[in-house]
Amino acid sequence: KAGVTQTPRYLIKTRGQQVTLSCSPISGHRSVSWYQQTPGQGLQFLFEYFSETQRNKGNFPGRFSGRQFSNSRSEMNVSTLELGDSALYLCASSALQDLSSPLHFGNGTRLTVT
Amino acid sequence: GESVGLHLPTLSVQEGDNSIINCAYSNSASDYFIWYKQESGKGPQFIIDIRSNMDKRQGQRVTVLLNKTVKHLSLQIAATQPGDSAVYFCAEAPLQGAQKLVFGQGTRLTINP
Repeated sequence: KAGVTQTPRYLIKTRGQQVTLSCSPISGHRSVSWYQQTPGQGLQFLFEYFSETQRNKGNFPGRFSGRQFSNSRSEMNVSTLELGDSALYLCASSALQDLSSPLHFGNGTRLTVT
Repeated sequence: GESVGLHLPTLSVQEGDNSIINCAYSNSASDYFIWYKQESGKGPQFIIDIRSNMDKRQGQRVTVLLNKTVKHLSLQIAATQPGDSAVYFCAEAPLQGAQKLVFGQGTRLTINP
């Protein structure tokens, strides 16, 4: 079974631009979560989608948004990029939206904002 | 402003020895705890999880211990191998929001040959 796939692996953008990151969950997984990983703040939860609905949201500004499609694939968008948005963005999927199903992470998209 | 890097606690053990990685969690209402391993250039990899109604759970070469009284979690790795070198994260999930994991800062484990 293929794991969580994130594209692209690397991105370089300039301040003020916007970016869209893509995530394909493990086949059969309906819950998709996004996390931001930085050296200073560690791993922080962005949001979670289940059956195309955002079920949970972290403490990030409205410039960070996401969506989930009917095939469970997900995208996240960051508008008006800032230097501090440089990070590894990780997508994770799980079979169910409860505690009995652990998150399985992809290898992330490394975003650099210059 | 100045960017401050995350200072990871480190643990160095000899190949073949057992290692114990500790984690203190913050929310006494958390119901679910999980350990991840992250190698350079990769995303976190699931190792083992435990629910709050358990004190101990064993996997292949790994054991997780949960002490709810002092809000402490530990990961024991038996007979460490070079491939165990990585950063290990503990995470907790509150009762509300099953996938909203709160991660610890991580511990860098180095296995010496």
